[in-house]
Amino acid sequence: SQQGEEDPQALSIQEGENATMNCSYKTSINNLQWYRQNSGRGLVHLILIRSNEREKHSGRLRVTLDTSKKSSSLLITASRAADTASYFCAPGLNTDKLIFGTGTRLQVFP
Amino acid sequence: EPEVTQTPSHQVTQMGQEVILRCVPISNHLYFYWYRQILGQKVEFLVSFYNNEISEKSEIFDDQFSVERPDGSNFTLKIRSTKLEDSAMYFCASNQDGGNQPQHFGDGTRLSIL
Repeated sequence: SQQGEEDPQALSIQEGENATMNCSYKTSINNLQWYRQNSGRGLVHLILIRSNEREKHSGRLRVTLDTSKKSSSLLITASRAADTASYFCAPGLNTDKLIFGTGTRLQVFP
Repeated sequence: EPEVTQTPSHQVTQMGQEVILRCVPISNHLYFYWYRQILGQKVEFLVSFYNNEISEKSEIFDDQFSVERPDGSNFTLKIRSTKLEDSAMYFCASNQDGGNQPQHFGDGTRLSIL
């Protein structure tokens, strides 16, 4: 299956702490994307990492990709209450569709 | 920044009725998608659309569903003979290049079937 599985299912931290979420997948991929979904809203694209990249940064986000282990991680540094959301990974194959897992629900307490 | 817009934000419909969900993708995008999210569940792919035809569809997207790009700006999802289990959030998305590139999502239409 192309689907990614996020871990943990839920994560609660204090503002200022770092949050790490993991994604595992089963097939070979071209790239892997991370999305955020605030409650009741649409998904927002955060970052795309290609299969030949190992690490990528965007602001407070750091994504790693280990294709040998078929896994990725998303690190949010210095978290804020506004980071409270669900986070999803989407492994990319030679297809247009995105396949999402159940996500990681992040709660950041002020 | 350009946005994908969806209307209405909430649609309440009697079971058995037809419903049309509307989306205006970002203007220079060429690939369009519909996803749905049943309350508390995953976001599920329904269909992708390019060059005025369906490029891929999921098992969920059966004969009850259809999509159309009636003009240069709108992209619609029609659900015929709605069922209770069609109640969900429906998200439209678009991108310029297809092929696993980032997709831009609207805020969804909440469809409630009574």
